Amino acid sequence: GDSVTQMEGPVTLSEEAFLTINCTYTATGYPSLFWYVQYPGEGLQLLLKATKADDKGSNKGFEATYRKETTSFHLEKGSVQVSDSAVYFCALSERGTALIFGKGTTLSVSS
Amino acid sequence: EAGVTQSPTHLIKTRGQQATLRCSPISGHTSVYWYQQALGLGLQFLLWYDEGEERNRGNFPPRFSGRQFPNYSSELNVNALELEDSALYLCASSLSQAYSYEQYFGPGTRLTVT
Repeated sequence: GDSVTQMEGPVTLSEEAFLTINCTYTATGYPSLFWYVQYPGEGLQLLLKATKADDKGSNKGFEATYRKETTSFHLEKGSVQVSDSAVYFCALSERGTALIFGKGTTLSVSS
Repeated sequence: EAGVTQSPTHLIKTRGQQATLRCSPISGHTSVYWYQQALGLGLQFLLWYDEGEERNRGNFPPRFSGRQFPNYSSELNVNALELEDSALYLCASSLSQAYSYEQYFGPGTRLTVT
């Protein structure tokens, strides 16, 4: 079945550092790919998405590119802020069916 | 535009009781999804409703059930509660799958079973 694997955390960075969170997927079809973010005590917020190969999703300085050849959707940000501290989930969905999530990566940014 | 709302925020039940959780989707959204976020188990899909019909369910026992009302709001029922049902239950909504694959989440209901 479909699955998502993302790097284990926690990831600890200093403010203004470069962020990469790796995500790879296994799917039988052509899924849409997503990154969601969960701040402490809150639900999930959609951060960005990509629906086909070579699409780049971007939002709030975060970017991820749908790489079909490497089945990857790595999340990057050039300069993280303390306010970016949260748990990040990579997910896929085939034709609007249920989201399949990775286990989540905790990001902690210190000033 | 109002987002997805869920009630109650917190729910404390005793083992063996029943719990009912409610979700109101974003206006215009017809699909509702339920997910369980249990400590150490990550986010797992429970149920999907679209246009009043159950479209799919995850790998959960039949004591997890639900329904979708004509106004597209939804209810999740958990019967015969067990300690391991303690978790954050998240509801998400989306437009009909023909138009959008983006799911928008509510703040969740924290269920504690004692």
